[in-house]
Amino acid sequence: TAGITQAPTSQILAAGRSMTLRCTQDMRHNAMYWYRQDLGLGLRLIHYSNTAGTTGKGEVPDGYSVSRANTDDFPLTLASAVPSQTSVYFCASSDSGTHTGELFFGEGSRLTVL
Amino acid sequence: GQNIDQPTEMTATEGAIVQINCTYQTSGFNGLFWYQQHAGEAPTFLSYNVLDGLEEKGRFSSFLSRSKGYSYLLLKELQMKDSASYLCASSDSNYQLIWGAGTKLIIKP
Repeated sequence: TAGITQAPTSQILAAGRSMTLRCTQDMRHNAMYWYRQDLGLGLRLIHYSNTAGTTGKGEVPDGYSVSRANTDDFPLTLASAVPSQTSVYFCASSDSGTHTGELFFGEGSRLTVL
Repeated sequence: GQNIDQPTEMTATEGAIVQINCTYQTSGFNGLFWYQQHAGEAPTFLSYNVLDGLEEKGRFSSFLSRSKGYSYLLLKELQMKDSASYLCASSDSNYQLIWGAGTKLIIKP
């Protein structure tokens, strides 16, 4: 069972360039999330989507955008990358949009912005 | 403000018992989660508590006291594969998850 697939696994990006991190799930979950994880900090929510066609801002949305055209896909775009966006990015999904259910995470995308 | 506190690192011996504590301060409360994350891997769900008390699931148990804003994860019969980070997260009144920085658990033979 694939679950959640993220791509790329890792990427080095020059500052100022754009980048899209891809996320696909095959569990037909309504809710999807993008988190970033930095050393010494808890996971921080960037954007979320409770259902296809809707998105919302999380704790740290600046510099990022998302779209949810269908149930399965939830790409994260960095329009003009900056070094502070160097991080590990996790996509996650859940059956429920109310964060009372288990989150299923992808394997992560390690992004380095130089 | 909203805050989750948990120890940065703990060390325990194979076969022993370890308790990882978590205190939380969130605007409202809709449950407390524990996740396990091995180095370089994705977090995986361990437990969810919304009522006071102890929930047991095999070698792992999770406890919640809502009045004290406190939870702990209890790991029994420790195995080397339990070496990982353990993440505590509280769901606030808007059902947003507030995450702790994680406790790195080191198991020694």
